Amino acid sequence: SQQGEEDPQALSIQEGENATMNCSYKTSINNLQWYRQNSGRGLVHLILIRSNEREKHSGRLRVTLDTSKKSSSLLITASRAADTASYFCATDGESGGSNYKLTFGKGTLLTVNP
Amino acid sequence: NAGVMQNPRHLVRRRGQEARLRCSPMKGHSHVYWYRQLPEEGLKFMVYLQKENIIDESGMPKERFSAEFPKEGPSILRIQQVVRGDSAAYFCASSQTGESSYEQYFGPGTRLTVT
Repeated sequence: SQQGEEDPQALSIQEGENATMNCSYKTSINNLQWYRQNSGRGLVHLILIRSNEREKHSGRLRVTLDTSKKSSSLLITASRAADTASYFCATDGESGGSNYKLTFGKGTLLTVNP
Repeated sequence: NAGVMQNPRHLVRRRGQEARLRCSPMKGHSHVYWYRQLPEEGLKFMVYLQKENIIDESGMPKERFSAEFPKEGPSILRIQQVVRGDSAAYFCASSQTGESSYEQYFGPGTRLTVT
């Protein structure tokens, strides 16, 4: 799998339910970021978690990071129709390399049905 | 505080023409990055620039593509002699520093269509 690969590729839930998306990566990182992209639009930064952090919260978002498993998860609680979008994780700091170059996965398309 | 600005939002070019994409970073940001997103794909890093300097162009195709970030004015990504495979969304991002601990903020993108 490529660096920063999300799963599932697509997720459909009802409004009010929680949505969980996962991201796996292959090499060591400094930070991992989650972004949201509405259809045909730019990316909106959601949250950054550092490699020495295990969990971070922002509003209805909860991100976890397990560096031993090289994985992260994004949980959106009490989802709303407006949360419908593609969600990407982006990693940086490939071993011995630059830490500004973000590597994105293909994203998870989340659909929240009203 | 305006975010990252990109223009045009949509650009249509015929094969063989030149495409010029512009990016103005957020106020106070001096680091600019260009990414390309092909349909159904994630973003791929192309180039990282600071004012008047190309820091890392390892993601740029070796031919036809160039980027600059002059002392005054926006950063420009130039694609010469465009081909159909260049059709994609091109995103610019900016950050306060080049350290990854500072978030990269993305513009709305320029969607290039080559006919």
